[in-house]
Amino acid sequence: DQQVKQNSPSLSVQEGRISILNCDYTNSMFDYFLWYKKYPAEGPTFLISISSIKDKNEDGRFTVFLNKSAKHLSLHIVPSQPGDSAVYFCAARGNRDDKIIFGKGTRLHILP
Amino acid sequence: NAGVMQNPRHLVRRRGQEARLRCSPMKGHSHVYWYRQLPEEGLKFMVYLQKENIIDESGMPKERFSAEFPKEGPSILRIQQVVRGDSAAYFCASSLTGVAGAEAFFGQGTRLTVV
Repeated sequence: DQQVKQNSPSLSVQEGRISILNCDYTNSMFDYFLWYKKYPAEGPTFLISISSIKDKNEDGRFTVFLNKSAKHLSLHIVPSQPGDSAVYFCAARGNRDDKIIFGKGTRLHILP
Repeated sequence: NAGVMQNPRHLVRRRGQEARLRCSPMKGHSHVYWYRQLPEEGLKFMVYLQKENIIDESGMPKERFSAEFPKEGPSILRIQQVVRGDSAAYFCASSLTGVAGAEAFFGQGTRLTVV
């Protein structure tokens, strides 16, 4: 049973436009959400996170939105750049000592 | 401050051999997580350890797989009697604490190929 779902395996966006990556979760006990970026043959790198007490967190070109009632979060990248082409993983964890659960990832292609 | 170090980067084993994957967490980190990524799949949680303790091993197969994080030295993921289906990328991550708000930092992974 997948607790973190990324339903779009891939996404193509024109350079300069906004990229929106979506993520849904089923476990209402999750209270911290993270996005990781992964290039081929490398480990995932942390990108941005959000606590469940917030609905938005922004860091430069990256903004994460959280809709707790819908159990949905999204990552917005604007403007999209060629170096943003990678696999993006949505992840979630509960409070206290708990593992981080990952979605299957969305492969983002930034088109020239 | 070095990041999470995993070795070897690539490991080839014949069916039936043992595979040992090592992970040195970031300096000061006492929480280690192991994940497995199969081709075209996401990162599947395997085990979460703190120094000398296994906190959660719910994602680890009951047979042939074991993990440890001793007081001194790296964390080890051990796979006995490997089979072709064990071929995957194995990632280790570490965090400063285990509580929400502490992101985990990943190593570059060990790619295990069973022939």
